[in-house]
Amino acid sequence: AQSVAQPEDQVNVAEGNPLTVKCTYSVSGNPYLFWYVQYPNRGLQFLLKYITGDNLVKGSYGFEAEFNKSQTSFHLKKPSALVSDSALYFCAVREGGQAGTALIFGKGTTLSVSS
Amino acid sequence: DAGITQSPRYKITETGRQVTLMCHQTWSHSYMFWYRQDLGHGLRLIYYSAAADITDKGEVPDGYVVSRSKTENFPLTLESATRSQTSVYFCASWDGGSPLHFGNGTRLTVT
Repeated sequence: AQSVAQPEDQVNVAEGNPLTVKCTYSVSGNPYLFWYVQYPNRGLQFLLKYITGDNLVKGSYGFEAEFNKSQTSFHLKKPSALVSDSALYFCAVREGGQAGTALIFGKGTTLSVSS
Repeated sequence: DAGITQSPRYKITETGRQVTLMCHQTWSHSYMFWYRQDLGHGLRLIYYSAAADITDKGEVPDGYVVSRSKTENFPLTLESATRSQTSVYFCASWDGGSPLHFGNGTRLTVT
């Protein structure tokens, strides 16, 4: 069965500093990996995805994520955090080639960026 | 405007009552999903549908019923609401290629 782990409930970082939100996954086949962001009282918004190809994926709002197959990780990163990046972040996985399966989400990590 | 809409945004109901949460999408996406979001659990899949008249259980289906008679609608029914079903419910749609698109959620309180 596929699963996602986000080991940190909360990440605190000062504005201007780099940020990392961690994610590890487990699937039996090739992973399709995603990051979503949720602002208060809103649905989830897509940030970026990894399907295949370059291990460093760039997405919206200056975020990027690095796929590491040997460590089964897909950490979200940003070189310089903004206060407006404060939100709830979800990592999700789907097994590649299995079109009938749904995304499985992690429990979420709250990112707090202080000014 | 094209998109995915959920109604109502907020709902308060009593234990034992039946309640239906609505989800409508205008993209004609084949796949639709229902998730519930709870503190400490993230998003958990309740049911999903690959096409009209095709539905399947997710991780936490007990106490819920879904139907998909039309591609654009995917209602979620709580047949006899319980306090443990107090949650925020999200509907999502997907065309099999692009990322999932989410509605803004329904906050359900069962008293």
